[in-house]
Amino acid sequence: GAGVSQSPSNKVTEKGKDVELRCDPISGHTALYWYRQSLGQGLEFLIYFQGNSAPDKSGLPSDRFSAERTGGSVSTLTIQRTQQEDSAVYLCASSLDLTGSTEAFFGQGTRLTVV
Amino acid sequence: DQQVKQNSPSLSVQEGRISILNCDYTNSMFDYFLWYKKYPAEGPTFLISISSIKDKNEDGRFTVFLNKSAKHLSLHIVPSQPGDSAVYFCAASGRNTGNQFYFGTGTSLTVIP
Repeated sequence: GAGVSQSPSNKVTEKGKDVELRCDPISGHTALYWYRQSLGQGLEFLIYFQGNSAPDKSGLPSDRFSAERTGGSVSTLTIQRTQQEDSAVYLCASSLDLTGSTEAFFGQGTRLTVV
Repeated sequence: DQQVKQNSPSLSVQEGRISILNCDYTNSMFDYFLWYKKYPAEGPTFLISISSIKDKNEDGRFTVFLNKSAKHLSLHIVPSQPGDSAVYFCAASGRNTGNQFYFGTGTSLTVIP
């Protein structure tokens, strides 16, 4: 596709359940990011993938959060044992690389609601 | 530690006038700055960027100004249009600042017809 695609667009889950969020980046983009935006907050960095390098997981808020990127393309963000504070819009972005002069393109986001 | 700050959560401007959105940063290693626009229920869309080697970049109605000594950048929209009403995020990155774009908390712009 032409842009970053995320699925599902909306997800309501019960507290304690696991969820998987999917991101299809722009073809050819080697860098992939996950951010989240909680109500009234800015964009919070979660994790970064670049090519075959080890991901930068420094933004993951707890060990309930994990992400993988298969074949350098599609990425899945998994949240285990969801809590109400995990409710947010989860945004995926991709870019050609991070040389300090390339913009990131965002998907439409997945709105996660934990009830 | 918020390295990119947008101190005005909201701004209202009359249609046809200039909108000025401000952003401050703390890390002098940032060398690339971006503005994103976000409508409700959509992801942020890239608007305009500027490299630290420049102090101004213009694209149509949008101009970004960078003052490195003050660690300040601003986005000017002129003339403002109702369709410009959205949340605007400032972001920064750098070759030596880690593997992410650092975002501000956003400024909600309302252009009044």
